[in-house]
Amino acid sequence: DIVMTQSPDSLAMSLGERATINCKSSQSVLHRSNKKNYLAWYQQKPGQPPKLLIYWASTRESGVPDRFSGSGSGTDFTLTISSLQAEDVAVYYCQQSYSTLSWTFGQGTKVEIK
Amino acid sequence: QVQLQESGPGLVKPSQTLSLTCTVSISSGIYYWSWIRQPAGKGLEWIGRIHSSGSTNYNPSLKSRIAISVDTSKKQFSLQLSSVTVADTAVYYCARDDGNGHFDYWGQGTLVTVSS
Repeated sequence: DIVMTQSPDSLAMSLGERATINCKSSQSVLHRSNKKNYLAWYQQKPGQPPKLLIYWASTRESGVPDRFSGSGSGTDFTLTISSLQAEDVAVYYCQQSYSTLSWTFGQGTKVEIK
Repeated sequence: QVQLQESGPGLVKPSQTLSLTCTVSISSGIYYWSWIRQPAGKGLEWIGRIHSSGSTNYNPSLKSRIAISVDTSKKQFSLQLSSVTVADTAVYYCARDDGNGHFDYWGQGTLVTVSS
C-alpha cells in the first residue's frame, strides 16, 4: 500500500489567516503517461460525509471556494486555505488513487479557529 | 444532483456477515461505486468498488472477506463483509468514484456496530 502521511495532525489559526496542510506519499503518485498526480483532498465536517475539494492535486471541484488551493507533485503535496473562515473548521484528508490495488487516505488534519 | 443512500442493519453479531445496500438516484455514465468506512474518531478506509459492468477492485487487507455486487435495474450496489469482529464497527459510506479514484458524491453514512 501507498502510505499517506499528513502534517500537522491539527492546527489552530485565527480567522483570515492562511492555513497550510501537508501530505506526503510513500511513493510517487505522478503517472508518467498523463503527467497527472493522483492526489485528492477532502473536507469532513462533524457528522457529515467527506466532501471532495481538490483532485489531480490542484484542480478545484466545482463550487469549492477559491480560497482553497492545492499544489505539489510526486510525493509532496499541500492544501492551502488562503483566508480561514469559520465554516472551514473541519478535518481535512488527502487521498491517493495512483495504486489500482488500493486507494489510501492520510490520517487527517483537524483545523480549528484560535 | 446525484444522491446516495445506505441501508442495512445497524447491529451485527461477531462472526456474522455485515450486509449493506446503497441506492443511487442517478446511475448513468461511466462510474465506479465504492464503499468506504470510518471507525468513530478515526480516519477513512477504502473497502472496495464495483463498476456497472460488475468488475470489482477490493482492498487487499479485506479482500478475503468482501463481496460487492451491483443491481443496475434497481440502481443499487451492495456490500457483504463476512466474519466480522468488533474492529469492523464503523460508519460505512457509499460513494461515487469518477473512474479515477475521486469520490465526488457520498451517502450520509450508516453506523454498523459489531456486538453480541
